[in-house]
Amino acid sequence: DAGVIQSPRHEVTEMGQEVTLRCKPISGHNSLFWYRQTMMRGLELLIYFNNNVPIDDSGMPEDRFSAKMPNASFSTLKIQPSEPRDSAVYFCASSLTGEIYNEQFFGPGTRLTVL
Amino acid sequence: SQKIEQNSEALNIQEGKTATLTCNYTNYSPAYLQWYRQDPGRGPVFLLLIRENEKEKRKERLKVTFDTTLKQSLFHITASQPADSATYLCALGSGNTGKLIFGQGTTLQVKP
Repeated sequence: DAGVIQSPRHEVTEMGQEVTLRCKPISGHNSLFWYRQTMMRGLELLIYFNNNVPIDDSGMPEDRFSAKMPNASFSTLKIQPSEPRDSAVYFCASSLTGEIYNEQFFGPGTRLTVL
Repeated sequence: SQKIEQNSEALNIQEGKTATLTCNYTNYSPAYLQWYRQDPGRGPVFLLLIRENEKEKRKERLKVTFDTTLKQSLFHITASQPADSATYLCALGSGNTGKLIFGQGTTLQVKP
């Protein structure tokens, strides 16, 4: 398996623009997580899905952020409008929840810079 | 609120020595605790899991302890090597949702 795939790897945009981050989880995994990582706040959980259904979005900073998972093999995280404080590395992770280990497999991340 | 603390200062040790990293938590009763390794520019990679009813877990040169009374986990790397240099994150989980709460991580630097 190719692992968790994220695109783009790098995104530079201007304040006010819409940004869409994409994730393809590992085939067969039933949980998907979106995280944001910054030096100041570390790795923060934004939202997670079980079987394509959003379970907990309490980490989503504000209404400018939205996430969807239309099917088991694809998810998007959208920021509209983007702001400089959204600059961070965004990770997607997937896992097979319910199994003993529940380890999460992370993608390579998308480094977002909002100017 | 739930809080996880890892030593924010980098840990510098000499090759061959044992590295010990600490993870403390408050206002939380995790069912299990995981440790991840993160290299610069990459996503975290799972290393070990330990459950609340387990005191210690080992995997090759790695050892994790979990003290639910002290609310603390210790992560040891024996016979450390420069290749062990990375940031190590602890993460707490409960139930079967798969949701994890991560600490800020501790950066380990092993000097040859």
